[in-house]
Amino acid sequence: QVQLQESGPGLVEPSETLSLTCTVSGASITTIHHYWGWIRQPPGRGLEWIGTMYYSGTTYYNSSLTSRVTISADTSKNQFSLKLTSVTAADTAVYYCARLPYSGAGSFPDYWGQGSLVTVSS
Amino acid sequence: AIQMTQSPSSLSASVGDRVTITCRASQDIRNGLGWFQQKPGKAPKLLIYGASTLQTGVPSRFSGSGFGTDFTLTISGLQPEDFATYYCLKDYNYQWAFGQGTKVEIK
Repeated sequence: QVQLQESGPGLVEPSETLSLTCTVSGASITTIHHYWGWIRQPPGRGLEWIGTMYYSGTTYYNSSLTSRVTISADTSKNQFSLKLTSVTAADTAVYYCARLPYSGAGSFPDYWGQGSLVTVSS
Repeated sequence: AIQMTQSPSSLSASVGDRVTITCRASQDIRNGLGWFQQKPGKAPKLLIYGASTLQTGVPSRFSGSGFGTDFTLTISGLQPEDFATYYCLKDYNYQWAFGQGTKVEIK
């Protein structure tokens, strides 16, 4: 059974860096043709794709966030992480990590974490 | 960047109704589209990928169609558990983007 679990601080001060880790069980992040990503959802609003990575280090970021986002993998721990710098209240959201297996017609999240609410406030 | 326009933003329907939700891409994305269902407080659930392929375990009353720029999610015979918010997601050239969402409510 594939499971993903987000972890990290629930409260971040404005201008600081948001850091979250996704721990994967039941699957390896080094599996060929599997991508891993982060998605967020501000309270009461829609979903926003943040970025996607391949275990080799290749990353793809939302153009609106690319200057502030870094996604990286720790294959020894079967984890991948999100860092978002210079946060503001607009970054307050539930952050999800997800697995995106390549389907031949794109890669779509089939397993998701339960979500981690991060509030940006002083 | 390719934009996704989803409509309607909300709709009211009754159990047993046929419901159609559309997503339009600002450029050709071939069949790089998925559909998700989200219930309050829960992570989204993948329903359809590759525009028309039903994810394992998803009931056959859900179907997807389209290619290029125009895509449709159809629920044939709405069930009580189908009242939720639905999102499309495009993946083309390793760039993803969600539609704005459609809330399906009970009439």
